Amino acid sequence: KQEVTQIPAALSVPEGENLVLNCSFTDSAIYNLQWFRQDPGKGLTSLLLIQSSQREQTSGRLNASLDKSSGRSTLYIAASQPGDSATYLCAVKSGGSNYKLTFGKGTLLTVNP
Amino acid sequence: EAGVTQFPSHSVIEKGQTVTLRCDPISGHDNLYWYRRVMGKEIKFLLHFVKESKQDESGMPNNRFLAERTGGTYSTLKVQPAELEDSGVYFCASSQDWAYEQYFGPGTRLTVT
Repeated sequence: KQEVTQIPAALSVPEGENLVLNCSFTDSAIYNLQWFRQDPGKGLTSLLLIQSSQREQTSGRLNASLDKSSGRSTLYIAASQPGDSATYLCAVKSGGSNYKLTFGKGTLLTVNP
Repeated sequence: EAGVTQFPSHSVIEKGQTVTLRCDPISGHDNLYWYRRVMGKEIKFLLHFVKESKQDESGMPNNRFLAERTGGTYSTLKVQPAELEDSGVYFCASSQDWAYEQYFGPGTRLTVT
């Protein structure tokens, strides 16, 4: 059974700092991994999707890496801004005929001006 | 292009009552998923439709939950009768193909009193 863990559960940083959010999963037989952002009371916004054959994906100030063999992914946010404050969720799609996403509990990020 | 929409955004019902949640996926997306987040827990998969067929309903908690997808378009999730532990946020997601990125709606917050 796939389990996803995100560390830390909460993070508070000053504006401008570079930061890393961590995600680990127990079953390395994944198809892909998605990072989402959730603002309070809102839905999930997909940030980056990494296929199992890829090592990283970049979008603007965001960079996500994937090490499938060790069951780890990181989301790097450069030059953080107050608008980056949100909950960041990691989700994996396991291989085989399993089409569902398995989520971690998320990291609550607060960027202080 | 319109995103995934869900209705209502918030529902408050009494224990024993019935509630029906609706999801309209992105046009052209054959794959539709329901997920749920209860307080303090991670988002968990409920079920997956491909067009009007249930592909995987392994996450449905019990037979008080009934999901349908009429004509392969919108989907409804009915809870009858509702129990206190059914409270949470119900998310709907859709994707063009099972292997592709899933796009999430804003969620329906269900409160059972």
